[in-house]
Amino acid sequence: GAGVSQSPSNKVTEKGKDVELRCDPISGHTALYWYRQSLGQGLEFLIYFQGNSAPDKSGLPSDRFSAERTGGSVSTLTIQRTQQEDSAVYLCASSSQGVREKLFFGSGTQLSVL
Amino acid sequence: GESVGLHLPTLSVQEGDNSIINCAYSNSASDYFIWYKQESGKGPQFIIDIRSNMDKRQGQRVTVLLNKTVKHLSLQIAATQPGDSAVYFCAESLGNTGKLIFGQGTTLQVKP
Repeated sequence: GAGVSQSPSNKVTEKGKDVELRCDPISGHTALYWYRQSLGQGLEFLIYFQGNSAPDKSGLPSDRFSAERTGGSVSTLTIQRTQQEDSAVYLCASSSQGVREKLFFGSGTQLSVL
Repeated sequence: GESVGLHLPTLSVQEGDNSIINCAYSNSASDYFIWYKQESGKGPQFIIDIRSNMDKRQGQRVTVLLNKTVKHLSLQIAATQPGDSAVYFCAESLGNTGKLIFGQGTTLQVKP
């Protein structure tokens, strides 16, 4: 597609349930990022994939959070046993090698944990 | 710890005036800085970037200034328009880490 696509756009879940958030980056972009944005706050780095290198997971807040990127393209962010404090907008971004720090963001997934 | 902060949470300007949004960063080793604009319900959109070997860079109606001595970054928007109303974030990056650290954001309100 023309841009970064995220699904679902909204997700409401119950505390304790697992959720999966999907990101389709721009075709050909080798770098993929996940950020979290709480209401009225800045973006909190979660994880970064670059090509075939081991991902930088330094921003994941707990072991309930994990992410994978299959075939160097689509990525899935999984949150297990969701908590109310996980409620936020989860943003995915991608960038092309060589200008990898100019990120193109998707519109995000609004996660609400009841 | 790592942090990038903004001096003012909200900036209100009259249409046609110039806007200046400020940002302080804490990591003196950061060598790449970006400004993003985020409209309601959308992901952040790239505006302009600057590397640490520069102190000024101009784009279309926007200028970014970098003062490494005091670790300060600013975004100037000329002839502000209603469409400029959004939240503006600065972000810093260190070398080849690939990780951008974002500030809290400044809301720009443009009054007609």
